[in-house]
Amino acid sequence: AQKITQTQPGMFVQEKEAVTLDCTYDTSDPSYGLFWYKQPSSGEMIFLIYQGSYDQQNATEGRYSLNFQKARKSANLVISASQLGDSAMYFCAMREGLLWDNNNDMRFGAGTRLTVKP
Amino acid sequence: NAGVTQTPKFQVLKTGQSMTLQCAQDMNHEYMSWYRQDPGMGLRLIHYSVGAGITDQGEVPNGYNVSRSTTEDFPLRLLSAAPSQTSVYFCASSLAGSGANVLTFGAGSRLTVL
Repeated sequence: AQKITQTQPGMFVQEKEAVTLDCTYDTSDPSYGLFWYKQPSSGEMIFLIYQGSYDQQNATEGRYSLNFQKARKSANLVISASQLGDSAMYFCAMREGLLWDNNNDMRFGAGTRLTVKP
Repeated sequence: NAGVTQTPKFQVLKTGQSMTLQCAQDMNHEYMSWYRQDPGMGLRLIHYSVGAGITDQGEVPNGYNVSRSTTEDFPLRLLSAAPSQTSVYFCASSLAGSGANVLTFGAGSRLTVL
């Protein structure tokens, strides 16, 4: 069974600095997708970034990048130039099966609460 | 474009009561799912569906029923609510068939069972 681990319950970062949120995963499927979601205090789940297991390059989306180390089974989220609005819960998630496969349920880690200090 | 719509946003139940959380999406997504979110435990999958007439269990299915009679709707039923079912519930949908498909979430439903 797939498993996602986020070992940092809480993180603090100074405004304008970079921060790395850790995520490790466990799967026996060679094909999978890794996702990061942000949940602000308002409660909605916001998709941030995606990395496929066969992608050769690390994914980037604006200030977000994913440090993908396949051999270590880690998919850390890097937020550059932190802003006060980045304060939120961040969830790492994985979905097995990139090819046609109906059983693509998404599993989540426990989350990391990031607080950006002014 | 409404996306994923959940109702109600808030609900208080007494132990033993039943209720249905509604979820509808207008994106023609084959895949729909229900999660519950509890402090320190992230989101845990309750049930999911890959199309009308097809449902399957996730990590924590006990105490919940689902059905999928249309592509658009995926209601979650609590037949006899228990205090342990106090949680925030999220419905989410996506295209099916690939682990690359992004889940789109509803706004969540906060349920309290007394």
